Amino acid sequence: SQQGEEDPQALSIQEGENATMNCSYKTSINNLQWYRQNSGRGLVHLILIRSNEREKHSGRLRVTLDTSKKSSSLLITASRAADTASYFCATVPGANSKLTFGKGITLSVRP
Amino acid sequence: EAGVVQSPRYKIIEKKQPVAFWCNPISGHNTLYWYRQNLGQGPELLIRYENEEAVDDSQLPKDRFSAERLKGVDSTLKIQPAELGDSAVYLCASSSSLVPTGELFFGEGSRLTVL
Repeated sequence: SQQGEEDPQALSIQEGENATMNCSYKTSINNLQWYRQNSGRGLVHLILIRSNEREKHSGRLRVTLDTSKKSSSLLITASRAADTASYFCATVPGANSKLTFGKGITLSVRP
Repeated sequence: EAGVVQSPRYKIIEKKQPVAFWCNPISGHNTLYWYRQNLGQGPELLIRYENEEAVDDSQLPKDRFSAERLKGVDSTLKIQPAELGDSAVYLCASSSSLVPTGELFFGEGSRLTVL
């Protein structure tokens, strides 16, 4: 079963615009992670946010976490064509629990 | 430093045939995972190893799937016999046991097509 649900399922934007992707989950978590997957490739870890954190930044990425709403958002600022990929949120329900992925969001950035 | 290595990258077989996938994790990573990813879906865990021990194989269809991780390094995932519904990408990942809930490092995956 997949704990996280991303929204929207697909997103198309113009290069230079910001992309916001959302993830909702069902049970309490130890941490939440975002991964990127380029077509035909493996997943690449982007950022991890712990349950006691509210916001983290990494380069052009900004992740927020609202544990009261059981939701997270990933913001990619000043998007580039190379950001075109699928993005997955993944949650760890508790210590030593398995990482569970959502179905992913397909982001297309038009040059 | 080499990442997670998987082979083969692509495999096409007829149903009822056996198939095996191999994974070499990042050096020093004690935890190894096999995930299956169906088209348009997120990865789903099949099995997780801590060293040689399978600590979570609850989602592994044991009637036809088997896995091993001899010596706690490389791992092999086998399907016998394959069915049409097994067509998917099989992803191997590893992580450091020093950070048990930290990031996973994925290989490029093995794409299986069952005809």
